Amino acid sequence: NAGVTQTPKFQVLKTGQSMTLQCAQDMNHEYMSWYRQDPGMGLRLIHYSVGAGITDQGEVPNGYNVSRSTTEDFPLRLLSAAPSQTSVYFCASSSGQFAAFFGQGTRLTVV
Amino acid sequence: GENVEQHPSTLSVQEGDSAVIKCTYSDSASNYFPWYKQELGKRPQLIIDIRSNVGEKKDQRIAVTLNKTAKHFSLHITETQPEDSAVYFCAASKGSARQLTFGSGTQLTVLP
Repeated sequence: NAGVTQTPKFQVLKTGQSMTLQCAQDMNHEYMSWYRQDPGMGLRLIHYSVGAGITDQGEVPNGYNVSRSTTEDFPLRLLSAAPSQTSVYFCASSSGQFAAFFGQGTRLTVV
Repeated sequence: GENVEQHPSTLSVQEGDSAVIKCTYSDSASNYFPWYKQELGKRPQLIIDIRSNVGEKKDQRIAVTLNKTAKHFSLHITETQPEDSAVYFCAASKGSARQLTFGSGTQLTVLP
């Protein structure tokens, strides 16, 4: 039981490049979400999903896309990376018992 | 949308003393309030949570209190130890989507 697994752990992109951050969970959780963490600002919700095939926007969705084709996977796509997207990204999953469990994070730098 | 404010932003205590971190929320419909501990370079980890139908919850040295009328909740850590040093985040959530709105965090330092 690995919990929530994110890849990669570190990534450097050039402005304008695209990439996908991977997130997988093996706890059969319905709910998955993506957060970004910036210094002094806590974690902010980017997108979330309440089940396979269902996604919705969070607080800061611009510049990101998501899809949820399976219960296990919830990838986050950066369409055209910008320096403002330099951040640490966390994926989380939760079940009907509310508690959210986080992946180990992806540190992204856009130059 | 929901807004969560957290105070203080930094807190230093002597080992063995108690630490209290306070949060306020804006949306009276919020019904779930977790606290996360994050060590440097690590993921946030849930340490305790409380639902809106409960006023207080304890787990060994950690307790959380909730005042729904005033819309604030607090984390209490007793008999602090150096390994309690970390950033602590409060959060609030409502409904079935499990969306969390986080406070801005408190850097707790326990001095030996």
